[in-house]
Amino acid sequence: GNSVTQMEGPVTLSEEAFLTINCTYTATGYPSLFWYVQYPGEGLQLLLKATKADDKGSNKGFEATYRKETTSFHLEKGSVQVSDSAVYFCALSDQAGTALIFGKGTTLSVSS
Amino acid sequence: KAGVTQTPRYLIKTRGQQVTLSCSPISGHRSVSWYQQTPGQGLQFLFEYFSETQRNKGNFPGRFSGRQFSNSRSEMNVSTLELGDSALYLCASKGQGAKDTEAFFGQGTRLTVV
Repeated sequence: GNSVTQMEGPVTLSEEAFLTINCTYTATGYPSLFWYVQYPGEGLQLLLKATKADDKGSNKGFEATYRKETTSFHLEKGSVQVSDSAVYFCALSDQAGTALIFGKGTTLSVSS
Repeated sequence: KAGVTQTPRYLIKTRGQQVTLSCSPISGHRSVSWYQQTPGQGLQFLFEYFSETQRNKGNFPGRFSGRQFSNSRSEMNVSTLELGDSALYLCASKGQGAKDTEAFFGQGTRLTVV
């Protein structure tokens, strides 16, 4: 069945450091891929998405490229800020678009 | 535009009791889905409703059930509560569209079973 594996956290970085959070997936067909972010005490917010191979999703300085050959969707940001501290979830949409399958989440902590 | 509203925000229940959680989607959204979030299992899909019909269901026991009303508001019910049901329950709504349509999440209901 479909599944998502993302790197275990926590990830601790200094402000302005480069961020990579790895995400790989197993799926039948061609799922849409997402990164969601959860700030403390809040629900999830969509950060970015990609719908087909080689698509690049980007938002707020974050980027991720849909790599079909490596079944990956790694999240990157060139210079993190303290305000980026949150839990990041990689997810894919099932074929019907009725369910999201999430990775376990990666906690990012950025210090000034 | 109001977001997804979940009530109540916090609940404490005793083992064996039942509980009902409520979710009001964004106006115009007809798809509502539910997720359970726990530290051990992460985010797991419970079920999805569209126009009062359950279209998809995750791998949860029959104690977990849901329904959707004609105004798209949804409720989920958990009967015979177990300690392991303690979790954050998140509701998400989507507008009609392709599988990459954004799901908007509520802040969740924190359920504690004692």
